[in-house]
Amino acid sequence: AQTVTQSQPEMSVQEAETVTLSCTYDTSESNYYLFWYKQPPSRQMILVIRQEAYKQQNATENRFSVNFQKAAKSFSLKISDSQLGDTAMYFCAFMTRQGAQKLVFGQGTRLTINP
Amino acid sequence: DTGVSQNPRHKITKRGQNVTFRCDPISEHNRLYWYRQTLGQGPEFLTYFQNEAQLEKSRLLSDRFSAERPKGSFSTLEIQRTEQGDSAMYLCASVPDRASGELFFGEGSRLTVL
Repeated sequence: AQTVTQSQPEMSVQEAETVTLSCTYDTSESNYYLFWYKQPPSRQMILVIRQEAYKQQNATENRFSVNFQKAAKSFSLKISDSQLGDTAMYFCAFMTRQGAQKLVFGQGTRLTINP
Repeated sequence: DTGVSQNPRHKITKRGQNVTFRCDPISEHNRLYWYRQTLGQGPEFLTYFQNEAQLEKSRLLSDRFSAERPKGSFSTLEIQRTEQGDSAMYLCASVPDRASGELFFGEGSRLTVL
């Protein structure tokens, strides 16, 4: 079974700073996706960024980038030039490319961006 | 709004009562998922449908829980004889196909069992 671990329950930074959220996972699969999802207060969960395991290049989406270390099973999220709207719960998630394609989530990191 | 819609958004019930949640996925999304999220935790998979067929159920889905997706459109999740431990946010997500892997989530239905 796959597991996802986020070791930082809460983080807080000042607006415009850069912040990195950590995630490790465990799997015996070789073909999978990794995701970071954002869940703002009382709003639906939305995809921030996706990484396909076979791709060596780290994914980037505007201010969001990942550091994917496949051998170490590590998948961290870096948010550059943080904004107040980035305040949310962030979940790291794993999905195999076969079968049900269900997401396995970590426990989440509550990120607060302070003005 | 063409996103995933869930109703009701919040349900308060007494222990032992039955509750039903509804999820309307994005049109033409053939896969639909139900997750449960307790306070301070990440969502946990409950079950999923490919069109009208329920293809996998988590062991978290006890016999008090039943999910349906008639005609492969909206889905319902019913909890019978609710217990306080059922208090959680129930999330629905849909996806058009297997290609991208991204799930589109609704805002969730929060259940409080007194």
